[in-house]
Amino acid sequence: EDKVVQSPLSLVVHEGDTVTLNCSYEVTNFRSLLWYKQEKKAPTFLFMLTSSGIEKKSGRLSSILDKKELFSILNITATQTGDSAIYLCAVGTGAGSYQLTFGKGTKLSVIP
Amino acid sequence: ETGVTQTPRHLVMGMTNKKSLKCEQHLGHNAMYWYKQSAKKPLELMFVYSLEERVENNSVPSRFSPECPNSSHLFLHLHTLQPEDSALYLCASSQEAGGAFNTEAFFGQGTRLTVV
Repeated sequence: EDKVVQSPLSLVVHEGDTVTLNCSYEVTNFRSLLWYKQEKKAPTFLFMLTSSGIEKKSGRLSSILDKKELFSILNITATQTGDSAIYLCAVGTGAGSYQLTFGKGTKLSVIP
Repeated sequence: ETGVTQTPRHLVMGMTNKKSLKCEQHLGHNAMYWYKQSAKKPLELMFVYSLEERVENNSVPSRFSPECPNSSHLFLHLHTLQPEDSALYLCASSQEAGGAFNTEAFFGQGTRLTVV
């Protein structure tokens, strides 16, 4: 059974701090690893990673994948209160149809 | 606005009711999904439709019945649900192109379902 594990499950930081969120996986037919941010209802797409060691960056957010050790990290620098959300990691798999297996998420709270 | 629209946003139904959730995508995608999100659990994939054909049914009880009349619309018909079915139901779509599976899914805002 495919498994995606995120840690920590929740995190409280002060504005300006840097955080690192972790995602490890055990799946068959790995295709990609994706990060989403869920603030209220709809998860919104952040990054998709398919190759090891290549950092993807968007503003203060960055992510990297290690396909040998089967994990990814999501970094957020200089956190702001607007970063407060649940961050979801998902692994795309499937030899036939495409499926996303999600982790439970990390709830990030950024306090002023 | 993600290009995926779900209605209704909130639904309260009794265990003997029949209701339907609707999802519409305006992105030209050819794959659509239903996910269930319960408190403190990962998003659970329920159904996958690719080119209007159901390709995955992850052991979902028959009281949930999906329908995909075309590539832009997806329904989830609900019948005699249980209180434990109360959850956020999310629809998503993605583009599958010739076996290229490296694609993100775009989610709707979800329907918050409460079964009483």
